[in-house]
Amino acid sequence: NAGVTQTPKFQVLKTGQSMTLQCAQDMNHNSMYWYRQDPGMGLRLIYYSASEGTTDKGEVPNGYNVSRLNKREFSLRLESAAPSQTSVYFCASRSTGGSYEQYFGPGTRLTVT
Amino acid sequence: GESVGLHLPTLSVQEGDNSIINCAYSNSASDYFIWYKQESGKGPQFIIDIRSNMDKRQGQRVTVLLNKTVKHLSLQIAATQPGDSAVYFCAANYGQNFVFGPGTRLSVLP
Repeated sequence: NAGVTQTPKFQVLKTGQSMTLQCAQDMNHNSMYWYRQDPGMGLRLIYYSASEGTTDKGEVPNGYNVSRLNKREFSLRLESAAPSQTSVYFCASRSTGGSYEQYFGPGTRLTVT
Repeated sequence: GESVGLHLPTLSVQEGDNSIINCAYSNSASDYFIWYKQESGKGPQFIIDIRSNMDKRQGQRVTVLLNKTVKHLSLQIAATQPGDSAVYFCAANYGQNFVFGPGTRLSVLP
């Protein structure tokens, strides 16, 4: 049981390049999330997917797109990377039962130069 | 918008002492709160949660206190150990999603 996995772990992009961050969970969770974490700030929600087939914007969606490929996988795409998107990105998942506990992946550290 | 804040960005305690980490939230409609621990290079990990119909909840060496009147919660760690060194986040819900505080870095001194 791997939990939540993310690839890649590290990535360096030049301004204007595109890339997709991959996330997968093996806990049969309905909800999945993408957050970014910047120094001195809490996690900020980029996009979330309450169930397979649905996605919604979070607090900071500009410059990002997402795809809920199936129940297991939720990807985050940067179409044209900007230095302001330098951050650590975390994917999380949650079952929609009584607990709101989110399970987080190990993160992707992205640098845009 | 919603906000969650912590009173101190860093906290240093002696090994064996008790630690208290504080958090304030802005949305009086929040009814569920979670504390997470984040070790260096890892994703946040769930520690303990509390619903708004409770004012105290205990886990293994951890206690969360909730004061809804002043919109404040705290995490108490008993007999702090070196393995407790990490960043601690509180999170408050707004609907089905959460707002996270900026975190307190706990350092345990030998």
